[in-house]
Amino acid sequence: DAGVTQSPTHLIKTRGQQVTLRCSPKSGHDTVSWYQQALGQGPQFIFQYYEEEERQRGNFPDRFSGHQFPNYSSELNVNALLLGDSALYLCASSWDVTYEQYFGPGTRLTVT
Amino acid sequence: TQLLEQSPQFLSIQEGENLTVYCNSSSVFSSLQWYRQEPGEGPVLLVTVVTGGEVKKLKRLTFQFGDARKDSSLHITAAQPGDTGLYLCAGFAGKSTFGDGTTLTVKP
Repeated sequence: DAGVTQSPTHLIKTRGQQVTLRCSPKSGHDTVSWYQQALGQGPQFIFQYYEEEERQRGNFPDRFSGHQFPNYSSELNVNALLLGDSALYLCASSWDVTYEQYFGPGTRLTVT
Repeated sequence: TQLLEQSPQFLSIQEGENLTVYCNSSSVFSSLQWYRQEPGEGPVLLVTVVTGGEVKKLKRLTFQFGDARKDSSLHITAAQPGDTGLYLCAGFAGKSTFGDGTTLTVKP
């Protein structure tokens, strides 16, 4: 049974560029949440997708957007990258909005 | 805004010692989760506590949820080097709010 997978593992972008990160949820899960984890901090909630719609959103600007596909996989898009967007981006999946989330290994984004 | 404060921020102990880390909030949560995270990896779920006053044991780890469902603790007995990592608590109230974690180092 595959767990949560994310791609790519690492990514280096230049300030002002755009990036797309991808996530496949654990088998049987239909809800995907995205988190940003800066060095030395806990994960910060970006948004959550369920039934292909954004269900909840944290305190992140509109530069951060997402999408969920019919197979429950999801993408996180960040436009106009800033140096401060450098972080580990984590995807977590769950069944509906239950609290038991399972995390992927993350994508390490570096903005130069 | 819901905030979770974890203490201590850093903890370095010798193998065999006992330790307790804390997770406190002024907000009530319907449940609370503890995770362990290794460098460069995603958090791994250790336990979920739901009922106020609930105590759960996972081998040498004991988790407790406060009676008012605002705080929690994690106690490790006879720590081992393999327990080294970042311990995160997350409160759930519609969405998950994470603390900044306790970095535990267990020296052999």
